[in-house]
Amino acid sequence: EPEVTQTPSHQVTQMGQEVILRCVPISNHLYFYWYRQILGQKVEFLVSFYNNEISEKSEIFDDQFSVERPDGSNFTLKIRSTKLEDSAMYFCASRGAGTGNEKLFFGSGTQLSVL
Amino acid sequence: AQSVTQLDSHVSVSEGTPVLLRCNYSSSYSPSLFWYVQHPNKGLQLLLKYTSAATLVKGINGFEAEFKKSETSFHLTKPSAHMSDAAEYFCVVSGSGSARQLTFGSGTQLTVLP
Repeated sequence: EPEVTQTPSHQVTQMGQEVILRCVPISNHLYFYWYRQILGQKVEFLVSFYNNEISEKSEIFDDQFSVERPDGSNFTLKIRSTKLEDSAMYFCASRGAGTGNEKLFFGSGTQLSVL
Repeated sequence: AQSVTQLDSHVSVSEGTPVLLRCNYSSSYSPSLFWYVQHPNKGLQLLLKYTSAATLVKGINGFEAEFKKSETSFHLTKPSAHMSDAAEYFCVVSGSGSARQLTFGSGTQLTVLP
């Protein structure tokens, strides 16, 4: 089965630093997502991306966050100035278009630790 | 708006006995519903999905779930638990609109005892 790839698997950073989490979605997919899971809490939707623009975002996704698809294969999440509460597992996901393509394929996640 | 409630945060069963993980949903339209599983240090894997076809949905690894509109439920079952089933299970509802973002339940941790 095709896979969504995320790098790195673990990222440790100092508070206030910028981090970029990288994802390679499945090649023919058109919708891309970021979710996060703070330890012991629900998986939360952050943002969805389609046709080179954000289609939906949650209240979590404030001005500190941005997403980009720089080269047609990678899909990145940037946190401009990390806070302690940004520590979480971040999941990238992608899916194809149209009816019958509701299944999201998830990557194995990037564990972000902000110190 | 949509929401998902997983009624049990932890379920413990003995190997070889049935598994029942409960999920109720709230949605203002006809939802798509999913169960995802997360093994330790692994990503989220789709077990099964309901998208308004048959109400009894069969998934991988012997799991199945039944969509009951009258009860707004989508409980996950398996006739006989295996040690490898120990994991966290998430009931998920799909949003409306083209982006179809997912709303996750809080998860149920399944423990399988030898």
